[in-house]
Amino acid sequence: EPEVTQTPSHQVTQMGQEVILRCVPISNHLYFYWYRQILGQKVEFLVSFYNNEISEKSEIFDDQFSVERPDGSNFTLKIRSTKLEDSAMYFCAGRKGQETQYFGPGTRLLVL
Amino acid sequence: GNSVTQMEGPVTLSEEAFLTINCTYTATGYPSLFWYVQYPGEGLQLLLKATKADDKGSNKGFEATYRKETTSFHLEKGSVQVSDSAVYFCALRSNDGGATNKLIFGTGTLLAVQP
Repeated sequence: EPEVTQTPSHQVTQMGQEVILRCVPISNHLYFYWYRQILGQKVEFLVSFYNNEISEKSEIFDDQFSVERPDGSNFTLKIRSTKLEDSAMYFCAGRKGQETQYFGPGTRLLVL
Repeated sequence: GNSVTQMEGPVTLSEEAFLTINCTYTATGYPSLFWYVQYPGEGLQLLLKATKADDKGSNKGFEATYRKETTSFHLEKGSVQVSDSAVYFCALRSNDGGATNKLIFGTGTLLAVQP
């Protein structure tokens, strides 16, 4: 059964550094999402992406964040200058049509 | 705005015990409701869903009924197994016509089942 993959599984970075989190969605999915979960808090929506553009973003998704689907398979989340409060588990998800969202295993980001 | 509240964990049970994890929601209109499960080291997996009032979602012995009058979607299982140990997330998807279909999650409840 196809599944969503994410790399790396863990990332440690210094405050102010750029990070890129990578996701490979299921190949026939059309809508893509990033969510994050700060330890002990709710899973929060960050951004949705369809037809090569952002369709909705939350207030968390400020100018330090960007998303890209550069080659039709990878879906990336970039944080330009990480802050301590960006430490979280980041989940990628995708769906086809009106169906269920399928999630990846997550990337745990730690900003020191 | 839309929100989901679920009971805090951890919930620790003995094998074959009855499980209830409470979930209530606040939403305008008629959202769809979901339970996702996350096993250690894995992603969020859809466990069950219900798309309208009084619908019952079920899977792997788990059940949840969409109760509009109490705005609840409590997860139940009659006899838990050690393999059910995981984090369970309640979520809603607003069906207000928006194109994104984003999910709004609760905080997750850790279930630990002891043999």
